[in-house]
Amino acid sequence: KQEVTQIPAALSVPEGENLVLNCSFTDSAIYNLQWFRQDPGKGLTSLLLIQSSQREQTSGRLNASLDKSSGRSTLYIAASQPGDSATYLCAVRWGRGGSEKLVFGKGTKLTVNP
Amino acid sequence: GAVVSQHPSRVICKSGTSVKIECRSLDFQATTMFWYRQFPKKSLMLMATSNEGSKATYEQGVEKDKFLINHASLTLSTLTVTSAHPEDSSFYICSAPRLAGVGSKNIQYFGAGTRLSVL
Repeated sequence: KQEVTQIPAALSVPEGENLVLNCSFTDSAIYNLQWFRQDPGKGLTSLLLIQSSQREQTSGRLNASLDKSSGRSTLYIAASQPGDSATYLCAVRWGRGGSEKLVFGKGTKLTVNP
Repeated sequence: GAVVSQHPSRVICKSGTSVKIECRSLDFQATTMFWYRQFPKKSLMLMATSNEGSKATYEQGVEKDKFLINHASLTLSTLTVTSAHPEDSSFYICSAPRLAGVGSKNIQYFGAGTRLSVL
């Protein structure tokens, strides 16, 4: 069964700290992996998309890495700010047969304290 | 700005009524759209894949007669929760894949979600 797991479920850090969010997945034959941000009661905002052939992607203070062989991805947030407080979701597309279905983890709820 | 528009954002209804949720792709066509639901403190779970011009594909355990999906055009998919009951109260989100650019892969864009509360 294809599953996505995120650890920790919640994280609270002081402003300015660098932090890492973890995502693991079963079945290393992924098509791509995507990190999203979700604010309370809101939809999803795509942060980074890593194709199966890539090792990492960067956008501003965010860096996502992918290690297919170990079934892991990490989202690194540098110099965290209170505005980074949100739930971060990892989603994997296995995409066999062209399916664009995404399987989501339960998310990590991040709180950055001023 | 938003590339996928979802409406309404919030619905409160009485038990037994039907509720329609719309998902529109803005300035791009989507032959496929996806409908997810999210319970509190739970992950998003795919309910069904909406296919333009053909029947939707439902995930295991999702009642197709309960959750009617219509993908009538290349920019619009609707989800109708028929005879809603309190256990249907949830957060429903749609998504549509869009090509990121020439030679790029599709990226999923999500609507803002619909909070359904059935009394």
